[in-house]
Amino acid sequence: EAQVTQNPRYLITVTGKKLTVTCSQNMNHEYMSWYRQDPGLGLRQIYYSMNVEVTDKGDVPEGYKVSRKEKRNFPLILESPSPNQTSLYFCASRNTLGRRSEAFFGQGTRLTVV
Amino acid sequence: GDSVTQMEGPVTLSEEAFLTINCTYTATGYPSLFWYVQYPGEGLQLLLKATKADDKGSNKGFEATYRKETTSFHLEKGSVQVSDSAVYFCAPGGSQGNLIFGKGTKLSVKP
Repeated sequence: EAQVTQNPRYLITVTGKKLTVTCSQNMNHEYMSWYRQDPGLGLRQIYYSMNVEVTDKGDVPEGYKVSRKEKRNFPLILESPSPNQTSLYFCASRNTLGRRSEAFFGQGTRLTVV
Repeated sequence: GDSVTQMEGPVTLSEEAFLTINCTYTATGYPSLFWYVQYPGEGLQLLLKATKADDKGSNKGFEATYRKETTSFHLEKGSVQVSDSAVYFCAPGGSQGNLIFGKGTKLSVKP
């Protein structure tokens, strides 16, 4: 089954404690991205990757890091989380850079930073 | 740059009512257009899409037509059900390979 898998689904952590949210896709997609969803703000892109070892900033990259060492994985790293990073996070992948392809989303990770 | 404007919610309808959620976009070239749906507690899933002008995407009774002249992709359903309660996102394909998401429209359907 084609899918994007995020872990964990829920996470409560304390300010400053480094964490990683994993994302894996089994569709051999080149393009992967991270979004955060906040009430009234919709989905905002954090980082994206066009292929292995190629990453770039989205609209709200501050406080986040990513890496793309393998095609299937695209982890999101919060080196020093702060309460304003409390949010619902989604990983997504797309077949190509082409504007015709749909994106597939993970189930989301609800992060709370206290 | 690329952008999308989506009807603000929340929208509350009675079962079997007609639904329209407006969406207009600004994009270079001719992007594909998508509607995504997010049911409570779940991720986003594709509802329908259209890849060129005058295409009509349809799924689960929902329809949207790619109107190039008005740069619009309005979502419609003739008779909504309680199970359609969700958040709906309009998303044109951006020139950088991403999808440009609207803020979402929350739909609540009452029995």
